[in-house]
Amino acid sequence: RKEVEQDPGPFNVPEGATVAFNCTYSNSASQSFFWYRQDCRKEPKLLMSVYSSGNEDGRFTAQLNRASQYISLLIRDSKLSDSATYLCVVRQGSQGNLIFGKGTKLSVKP
Amino acid sequence: NAGVTQTPKFQVLKTGQSMTLQCAQDMNHNSMYWYRQDPGMGLRLIYYSASEGTTDKGEVPNGYNVSRLNKREFSLRLESAAPSQTSVYFCASSLFRGPATNEKLFFGSGTQLSVL
Repeated sequence: RKEVEQDPGPFNVPEGATVAFNCTYSNSASQSFFWYRQDCRKEPKLLMSVYSSGNEDGRFTAQLNRASQYISLLIRDSKLSDSATYLCVVRQGSQGNLIFGKGTKLSVKP
Repeated sequence: NAGVTQTPKFQVLKTGQSMTLQCAQDMNHNSMYWYRQDPGMGLRLIYYSASEGTTDKGEVPNGYNVSRLNKREFSLRLESAAPSQTSVYFCASSLFRGPATNEKLFFGSGTQLSVL
């Protein structure tokens, strides 16, 4: 089993749609969780950290379920500019290594 | 504020050639990292430096060496390039490193390396 698994995508949605990405992680001792965004041929950039209580940043909502080892990202009212690959990232181990998922590609169409 | 700067942006090598990828950050970060990203794969950690003067292997260190020249600079060297090292390489930095931290990574813009 991969350490961090994501929906492979691609997700093709119209503007204004709500889209949800899922991510599971295998190491129950994982400590911190993140969503990064990566535009085509660009570097990854932090979108948001994910907290146990769930957190929201504008149109983006992230949730963590430690019992199920599951992380989600919800994007409401999708914009063309949301088109990118979304990377689920988990920090684990005594050294705090970051483990990246393969990413889920989102394409928002007019 | 430049953030993380890595050079070169593109490089083509022949099998067996050597090269060094340079990375510098101006954010006074303690920790620096080198990742590679291949199609269909997540980013994989090659080496990291938790602080000036220390380096450690990541998930895929074979065929690479690193040098933490000072707090700002962290270079990645391919001594004898192989086609399997064709990839996009990203340097990154963070303020500090450790478990249970929400410290974010700042990435450089990447190096597209092709080994023929």
